[in-house]
Amino acid sequence: AQTVTQSQPEMSVQEAETVTLSCTYDTSESNYYLFWYKQPPSRQMILVIRQEAYKQQNATENRFSVNFQKAAKSFSLKISDSQLGDTAMYFCACSSYNTDKLIFGTGTRLQVFP
Amino acid sequence: GAVVSQHPSWVICKSGTSVKIECRSLDFQATTMFWYRQFPKQSLMLMATSNEGSKATYEQGVEKDKFLINHASLTLSTLTVTSAHPEDSSFYICSARRDRGGTEAFFGQGTRLTVV
Repeated sequence: AQTVTQSQPEMSVQEAETVTLSCTYDTSESNYYLFWYKQPPSRQMILVIRQEAYKQQNATENRFSVNFQKAAKSFSLKISDSQLGDTAMYFCACSSYNTDKLIFGTGTRLQVFP
Repeated sequence: GAVVSQHPSWVICKSGTSVKIECRSLDFQATTMFWYRQFPKQSLMLMATSNEGSKATYEQGVEKDKFLINHASLTLSTLTVTSAHPEDSSFYICSARRDRGGTEAFFGQGTRLTVV
């Protein structure tokens, strides 16, 4: 079974600053994948970034990067140069090749202030 | 990115009636589709996983007879909430994947169901 834990219900950051969202996970699978999804007020889920567990290099997508610590089962998301449009719920998620299910954490509500 | 269309966006139904929600992958064939339920300000709870042509796999605690899932083709899955009750009111979201495991899951825009 997979579990995903996000310990920060809410975070806030000023525009142009950097913020880090935390995520820990647990899985018995050896071949798994980690994701961060964004859910803006429209409620449309949008993929932010994806990491294959077998890759040591941290994934990056423009202003978004992750700190993947496999031994600690930690997968944090760093947002640099925060923008007002980054205001949303952010969900960490995990899936494995075998189970194929995408399991979400409880989410972190991020507010970006001008 | 690929497009997943969910219909309707919102629906109001009377207690005791059934309501069907459709999820279509518009520009790709989905090997797997997932149905989630989201309560206000909460996470997405996986309800079931469906594969084309086979029975859906339900998560523990989800009533199979209440939430009927049909995956008739590689581009269409439906969720029917049968004999709806007010406690079934929620936001339902579908997602679809081209391939297994680690590929991106694409999400529909969700359906807000209100049972009165």
